[in-house]
Amino acid sequence: ETGVTQSPTHLIKTRGQQVTLRCSSQSGHNTVSWYQQALGQGPQFIFQYYREEENGRGNFPPRFSGLQFPNYSSELNVNALELDDSALYLCASTQGGTGFEAFFGQGTRLTVV
Amino acid sequence: SQELEQSPQSLIVQEGKNLTINCTSSKTLYGLYWYKQKYGEGLIFLMMLQKGGEEKSHEKITAKLDEKKQQSSLHITASQPSHAGIYLCGADWSGAGSYQLTFGKGTKLSVIP
Repeated sequence: ETGVTQSPTHLIKTRGQQVTLRCSSQSGHNTVSWYQQALGQGPQFIFQYYREEENGRGNFPPRFSGLQFPNYSSELNVNALELDDSALYLCASTQGGTGFEAFFGQGTRLTVV
Repeated sequence: SQELEQSPQSLIVQEGKNLTINCTSSKTLYGLYWYKQKYGEGLIFLMMLQKGGEEKSHEKITAKLDEKKQQSSLHITASQPSHAGIYLCGADWSGAGSYQLTFGKGTKLSVIP
């Protein structure tokens, strides 16, 4: 068990709605990264938060946004949901700096109908 | 174009057989991560390689990063049904331990008892 927890585990939303996904990082980890994994594909990097600031972003539109809180937990928000947003959303936490492992949560399965 | 190629895409082996999965990068790897994923679940950390020529082992799984740091291999000795799943390699190309990983599409491993 990694100590990285995500909620909810499953979610069904309607196109056009907004959704918030949550991630609690492992104790001692100050960096959280979010990934989107479509069926049959590898995870794609969405963005990363380090000490409450966005620290890098992948090729995702602005309707994907996030937050990191003082306890280093994080949220991923997606506005104006599209059918293609249906995927497994994963968060990973790590300790900042080189040479450290990155641990993933179990993911949130989002289905947009 | 896919800059991190995994091969093979899928593999079916008899229990007890050895197998190798390859991960080839179009750019120099500053960090290479191997993860295992059960269908629809989170990623389980296996190993992280950073130095050219580095080799790490855990139980029956060995991973290597070649000297030029553009290819990694994952070798499983005497495979068991518990090894079945999707193996993903993730590349850190930033050189700064960013953990903003680019993943391959994965190798699906099935082990027949």
